[in-house]
Amino acid sequence: QSVLTQPPSASGTPRQRVTISCSGSSSNIGRNYVYWYQQLPGTAPKLLIYGNSQRPSGVPDRFSGSKSDTSASLAISGLRSEDEADYYCAAWDESLSVHVFGTGTKVTVL
Amino acid sequence: QVQLVQSGAEVKKPGASVKVSCKASGYTFISYGISWVRQAPGQGLEWMGWISAYLGNTNYAQKFQGRVTMTTDSSTSTAYMELRSLRYDDTAVYYCAREDFGEPPDYWGQGTLVTVSS
Repeated sequence: QSVLTQPPSASGTPRQRVTISCSGSSSNIGRNYVYWYQQLPGTAPKLLIYGNSQRPSGVPDRFSGSKSDTSASLAISGLRSEDEADYYCAAWDESLSVHVFGTGTKVTVL
Repeated sequence: QVQLVQSGAEVKKPGASVKVSCKASGYTFISYGISWVRQAPGQGLEWMGWISAYLGNTNYAQKFQGRVTMTTDSSTSTAYMELRSLRYDDTAVYYCAREDFGEPPDYWGQGTLVTVSS
């Protein structure tokens, strides 16, 4: 079951900026770091953002993350066709003692 | 480079067990833990639990307590996940992922499709 809520879809044209929201609670996002994953069709998730806003080596700076209270967001600027994928937010949940994931957002490049 | 290579697809009958392997390379195996995450067809991600490759201690999600066992073999840098009493809704792709304590899963295996079918 997904504890974090995301919009099911988002879209934009090339070079546009797209933002994906992630809503949680005081037991997860409100107390712990948020991370984001990109899942291209038919592949395993790839860590995109950790520590709310940090990018692993090799992730373009077009991807940025932020967090406020019990919500977080992922922004993709300069949208490119290869950004078409599912995006998931995640965080550790203190009450459930598990990593909880978002419902996922499918990004489409028009 | 860090790589996690999982075993191949499995088809199991309801009530049976499945054991998925995950061979790690490109880093010091015992310096990290391994998490297991599953994804039902067309659905989102679900974290099942974590095992320390150094101490072998585990943290299972309550949903899977009593049905899952995670183990590691440091001599072969391989992690295993066994799920018992399989049900139709256990049909999913099962992923292993490297996870340091207090950090998110970073590198993921390619996934193993487990199909539960009579």
